[in-house]
Amino acid sequence: QKEVEQDPGPLSVPEGAIVSLNCTYSNSAFQYFMWYRQYSRKGPELLMYTYSSGNKEDGRFTAQVDKSSKYISLFIRDSQPSDSATYLCAAEPYNFNKFYFGSGTKLNVKP
Amino acid sequence: GAGVSQTPSNKVTEKGKYVELRCDPISGHTALYWYRQSLGQGPEFLIYFQGTGAADDSGLPNDRFFAVRPEGSVSTLKIQRTERGDSAVYLCASSLRTSGSPDTQYFGPGTRLTVL
Repeated sequence: QKEVEQDPGPLSVPEGAIVSLNCTYSNSAFQYFMWYRQYSRKGPELLMYTYSSGNKEDGRFTAQVDKSSKYISLFIRDSQPSDSATYLCAAEPYNFNKFYFGSGTKLNVKP
Repeated sequence: GAGVSQTPSNKVTEKGKYVELRCDPISGHTALYWYRQSLGQGPEFLIYFQGTGAADDSGLPNDRFFAVRPEGSVSTLKIQRTERGDSAVYLCASSLRTSGSPDTQYFGPGTRLTVL
């Protein structure tokens, strides 16, 4: 079993839809949770990170962590075709030195 | 440039050959990471450098893989006797690595390695 599990999709939605992307994890030591966006043939770019449980909002993006259920979510409001990419969740134990990534969810936002 | 750069962007080699992949981190970043990303998968940790030393090489799959960072800046990932299963995108990331806070890792575009 992988440390971080993510539904690979693909997920196809119409422009303007609310998108929900989710991951689960198994390691209770994980403290930091990140969402990366990766366009085709590019490196991942950091979207957001959260520390422990709770919500964090940045523009159209909201990251949510529920440590009691070991569940990580990213919500995208008013989705745009430019949001079409693969979204990777990642987790890091406190003061550790490596990220554990999910396998990525491919999102397609149709105009 | 302001970001992490990696060369070459693509590398095609034959089974059994030796390859070197280079990473140029963001200036001033003390921490450097190598990951491997297979098709349809997320990045998988290989090795982490803090300065010149390899602080954690637990992700290197076997002794054919080796990485160096002799001056604490540029790093080279070296793969000996390449196998077809080594084909993947090799990603490099760097960060400031401040103790006790989330580590914001900035990724390069990757080197796509194909072993024929």
